[in-house]
Formats: sequence, C-alpha cells, structure tokens
Amino acid sequence: AQSVTQLGSHVSVSEGALVLLRCNYSSSVPPYLFWYVQYPNQGLQLLLKYTSAATLVKGINGFEAEFKKSETSFHLTKPSAHMSDAAEYFCAVSPLQGAQKLVFGQGTRLTINP
Amino acid sequence: EPEVTQTPSHQVTQMGQEVILRCVPISNHLYFYWYRQILGQKVEFLVSFYNNEISEKSEIFDDQFSVERPDGSNFTLKIRSTKLEDSAMYFCASGAPEGVNTEAFFGQGTRLTVV
Repeated sequence: AQSVTQLGSHVSVSEGALVLLRCNYSSSVPPYLFWYVQYPNQGLQLLLKYTSAATLVKGINGFEAEFKKSETSFHLTKPSAHMSDAAEYFCAVSPLQGAQKLVFGQGTRLTINP
Repeated sequence: EPEVTQTPSHQVTQMGQEVILRCVPISNHLYFYWYRQILGQKVEFLVSFYNNEISEKSEIFDDQFSVERPDGSNFTLKIRSTKLEDSAMYFCASGAPEGVNTEAFFGQGTRLTVV
C-alpha cells in the first residue's frame, strides 16, 4: 500500500523568499514520486517527477525536489518565490513498476505575499 | 504538444439523472484513468483501464459508475443515477505503454454539479 502526507495544508511566503513544501511518502515497493501544481479552476500540471534516476530532480518554473529514501521524503523547493507560484501543490506516489495509479497527498495551498 | 481533452468543462445535472463525462486521451497511450476531486479535498483515484478492461478500481467506484472506450479514441465515465455527493471535479488521465518512463497526463477536468 502507498500513501502520501503533505505537512501544512497552507503555506505562505513572501515574494523572493524560499519556498519549501513538505511531502513524506509510504510505499512497500520502490516508488515513483511526483509533484503536480493546480492553478485556480485548472487541471493538474506536472512540475517534476522522481523515477529512480537522480535523487535531485529539477522541474519547471524553477522548482526542484530531492528524494531522500532514509527520510521517506520528497520535499519541493524553489529558491525565490514569484507571485505566479500561488497555487495548490500536490505530491503523489505510484509504484515503480506496473500500472501508474497515483495516490495523492492532501495538497498544500501556497500563498505569495507581495 | 499532445494533451488530454475533456468535455464538457462544466456539467450541471439533476439528482438521479445519468451523466457521461468524455475524455480523449493522448493517442498512443494505453493506460487510462479517472480521478475526482471534491471541492477542497484531495484528488482521489477512481478507476484505471488497460487493454479494454478495468485494471483497478477504488471503493468509490461502485455499481453507479462505469467506464468505456467505445471507439478507440474516446474514454468515457458514466454515472447512472447521480447523487448530490457526486458533485466534484472529474479528471481524466492517460499514460504511455508499460516500460516507458513517464507520468500520467491529466486533462483540464469536468466540473460536475448535481442539484
């Protein structure tokens, strides 16, 4: 069984500040890990994914995430927040092999203060 | 860039009515999925479809729900008798063939409102 826990349903940072969104996962098999972003009234857009290659994964819009097996974490970071980063962010896990059913976390709403 | 398309973007229906949500997955993909997101909650898996049959379904996907790939391009979700609690955003997704290192591509969603 797999599960995802996102710590903090709401994160607020100032423009230009570091963004850190936390994700911890539980998986009985080697996982794929993903971060998706959802802008208001829109669908889910993939930010980045971990698929057992490099543990530091770079994604779109300046985001990156580091897979830490020992901590079962896959936290999302961005060095400098931009107003356009305001959105809902979802961490998700799926098995490394086989069907790609995703299990999502609860989501973290990111607010950027001017 | 290829994308998953869903129609309609918004559907309002009366309780007890049947609805069909339509999706056109990316053309060379073989895995198809429906997810839903009740307002303010997380995205939940409903069903996956591969090789013309359901490969996995969640406990949410009861006898009121069915999926079909009628013509090799569309992928539909039918809710036979809608309930108020079926109101949600429904997302279709598709994924490439097994063995290909890829992710699920999501459509923009259909917002279903049951009144």
